[in-house]
Amino acid sequence: DVKVTQSSRYLVKRTGEKVFLECVQDMDHENMFWYRQDPGLGLRLIYFSYDVKMKEKGDIPEGYSVSREKKERFSLILESASTNQTSMYLCASGRGGRPDTQYFGPGTRLTVL
Amino acid sequence: GDSVTQMEGPVTLSEEAFLTINCTYTATGYPSLFWYVQYPGEGLQLLLKATKADDKGSNKGFEATYRKETTSFHLEKGSVQVSDSAVYFCALKEGTYKYIFGTGTRLKVLA
Repeated sequence: DVKVTQSSRYLVKRTGEKVFLECVQDMDHENMFWYRQDPGLGLRLIYFSYDVKMKEKGDIPEGYSVSREKKERFSLILESASTNQTSMYLCASGRGGRPDTQYFGPGTRLTVL
Repeated sequence: GDSVTQMEGPVTLSEEAFLTINCTYTATGYPSLFWYVQYPGEGLQLLLKATKADDKGSNKGFEATYRKETTSFHLEKGSVQVSDSAVYFCALKEGTYKYIFGTGTRLKVLA
């Protein structure tokens, strides 16, 4: 079974803090993704990566950056957390090709006070 | 651009009732279509998928047929159970990387 793990299930941070969310997958997938999930808005893509050290902006990259130094690990960084970044963050990975199922981690619920 | 529209929830049904969750899409090419399910406290997991017109995806009693003429991929199940209570997401993938997800439909099944 594919496993995607995220470093924390729940996280509480203060405004202005730097926040790191880590994601690790164990299936040697090329592609990895970070989404945020908000009620009524569904999933919105923040960033994705199709190879080590490669990254592409998604639909809402402002206020976020990412890092992929190893194939299995994809980190999301909030440089200076703000209250409007309070959300559920979901990491996913996939092999690419067609139809390319995405495999999701359990999510990190981040609260910024 | 590409988009996915799902029926608003929540949908509340009694056990053994018939379920339909509507999903329509807009895409310029020939996307793959998916239904994902999110159980309480968990991430999304693939429920079923279809890659071309008239394909039927099925899993755990759920079915959806890729209808190109109506640009739809409605999710159906003949007899729902309490354990089906979850949020269901319709999604499409067109191109190399990007997925488009609907806003999700919450299903609540009462015993």
